[in-house]
Amino acid sequence: GQSLEQPSEVTAVEGAIVQINCTYQTSGFYGLSWYQQHDGGAPTFLSYNALDGLEETGRFSSFLSRSDSYGYLLLQELQMKDSASYFCAVRDQTGANNLFFGTGTRLTVIP
Amino acid sequence: GAGVSQSPSNKVTEKGKDVELRCDPISGHTALYWYRQSLGQGLEFLIYFQGNSAPDKSGLPSDRFSAERTGGSVSTLTIQRTQQEDSAVYLCASRGVNEKLFFGSGTQLSVL
Repeated sequence: GQSLEQPSEVTAVEGAIVQINCTYQTSGFYGLSWYQQHDGGAPTFLSYNALDGLEETGRFSSFLSRSDSYGYLLLQELQMKDSASYFCAVRDQTGANNLFFGTGTRLTVIP
Repeated sequence: GAGVSQSPSNKVTEKGKDVELRCDPISGHTALYWYRQSLGQGLEFLIYFQGNSAPDKSGLPSDRFSAERTGGSVSTLTIQRTQQEDSAVYLCASRGVNEKLFFGSGTQLSVL
């Protein structure tokens, strides 16, 4: 089976940096993904980590530590439009390429 | 098509009726997923299709739920004898050769 834990809510100030953590338990592990979902919208892909370390894509970075079963999404230079829900997701061996999502972290960016 | 297409976008039905939800994935994508999302909640995995392999149905909540994928393309999720607790947004996603899932806009199902 698999389980993922994320904080339910985070609030941060415009222009600041915020980190959203994700811890997981899986039967085997293939990789950790992050998705963004605005209210009323569909989830959109942000990043994927299969190996340990930091992946950077513009203002967003994602980190993975497989030994700690832990990852995080780092958002820099926060903008109001970054207010959304952020989901981590893992692939594991149980479902052979199934992708299971965490419960999501609602980020609110305030002026 | 250019993206994942789902229809209908909204469906209102009466308790006990059957509904069919359609997903048209991105052309060439071999993997197709169905998820369910209740208001303010996470994505609940329902079913996964990969090419010609047998689908992973481990997430279907009851035997009232079924799905098929014809010709490796279009998929239909069927809910029989709908219940009020089935009300949610049903999301379809497809995946190509990398890890990126592309989601459709979803079907908002309301069971009265």
